[in-house]
Amino acid sequence: QSALTQPASVSGSPGQSITISCTGTTSDIGGYNYVSWYQQHPGEAPRLIIYEVNNRPSEVSDRFSGSKSGNTASLTISGLRPEDEADYYCSSYTTATTPGDVFGGGTKLTVL
Amino acid sequence: DVQLVESGGGLVQPGGSLRLSCAASGFTFSDYWMHWVRQVPGKGLVWVARMNDDGSRISYADSVKGRFIISRDNSKNTLYLQMNSLRAEDTAVYYCARRHYHFYSMDVWGQGTTVTVSS
Repeated sequence: QSALTQPASVSGSPGQSITISCTGTTSDIGGYNYVSWYQQHPGEAPRLIIYEVNNRPSEVSDRFSGSKSGNTASLTISGLRPEDEADYYCSSYTTATTPGDVFGGGTKLTVL
Repeated sequence: DVQLVESGGGLVQPGGSLRLSCAASGFTFSDYWMHWVRQVPGKGLVWVARMNDDGSRISYADSVKGRFIISRDNSKNTLYLQMNSLRAEDTAVYYCARRHYHFYSMDVWGQGTTVTVSS
């Protein structure tokens, strides 16, 4: 399974908005609405922040939103806060080889 | 509280074997699909394997197929990962994760257990 493609890093100032892209193929992102996004702070386990493209768990801030167009999914964080500084990973169901899951390489968000 | 606790990690020589466990609590384990995901320190998450609620449907990443075996004991609320023919590139933190009951996502994660393959 080839990893989904994410930018290595993005940055923004407090209060600004940023968007992280995640590009796959028709065998994963483009073929299914099964895209998730995870936040991971250093030394911690990943935390689910978006599921099935654009849905938020109830405990996640509405500053986080997701979308998808074709083979590319996106995570937008608005009103950046210092605590948003973390690694962000996209994931999708895939049928590229054996049906399963695939993650993106991760994006480091720096809040300036 | 809903919780997943991994154990069984450690140092093993190349070619060796190790069995990881993931103990679940706070939810009806037998209702949920489960995953193993690994992460080389400083690197990204990599999906390893998944199993459905009754153990009848299993998938593996190509990188571990034929070497790793995922299994579960619903009577013990425990997920396992038997890792054989270990290689240096299998060195990572291994997480177990629960698939959300209704939605396609991993909604609960353990804290991870570290596997180091080295001579």
